[in-house]
Amino acid sequence: GESVGLHLPTLSVQEGDNSIINCAYSNSASDYFIWYKQESGKGPQFIIDIRSNMDKRQGQRVTVLLNKTVKHLSLQIAATQPGDSAVYFCAENNYGQNFVFGPGTRLSVLP
Amino acid sequence: GAVVSQHPSWVICKSGTSVKIECRSLDFQATTMFWYRQFPKQSLMLMATSNEGSKATYEQGVEKDKFLINHASLTLSTLTVTSAHPEDSSFYICSALTPGTYNQPQHFGDGTRLSIL
Repeated sequence: GESVGLHLPTLSVQEGDNSIINCAYSNSASDYFIWYKQESGKGPQFIIDIRSNMDKRQGQRVTVLLNKTVKHLSLQIAATQPGDSAVYFCAENNYGQNFVFGPGTRLSVLP
Repeated sequence: GAVVSQHPSWVICKSGTSVKIECRSLDFQATTMFWYRQFPKQSLMLMATSNEGSKATYEQGVEKDKFLINHASLTLSTLTVTSAHPEDSSFYICSALTPGTYNQPQHFGDGTRLSIL
């Protein structure tokens, strides 16, 4: 999702459906990417990462896709559960420099 | 592994008070720690990078005399908000990197919610 002023993009999905959260990153030289999950009042929690020499990586119920041509990252969550409700941030890193975080997307799982 | 503990989790204090926030790496040594600030419904904003044994590197626009950072050991970094005012109210989060790592994620603490009255 794209940042629109101070409004956090929201994705609402039905429990059991698959979720796809998108992120456009800014630096074509970035070589490492991470997805974090942040629940209310907590710090970000690592979900999955991917290096620039890959275009897909799978974890448990999650898949990250990287398209370097258009500088796009996505997080797919299979069989979304209520516990997946949170704000999701992508982060990019350029050869050990500081991480740059995306604006975030709020995922709401509907019963 | 790679647990980062942040304390306190919540603090409320009067305007003009200085507040210290601690960030500890519990099961690893962290040569580099980061301090972020997060406003409601917004992303994380990097304030400074803290390196053990040296001065912190502050991001543009962050007052180093206002936000004092000390990283005296490999497991502890502190952020002191000096003479805090209501506009300093925010969610402050620290993170740490394991030493000698490249292309590894940061490990985050659970944040400190600071409310200045």
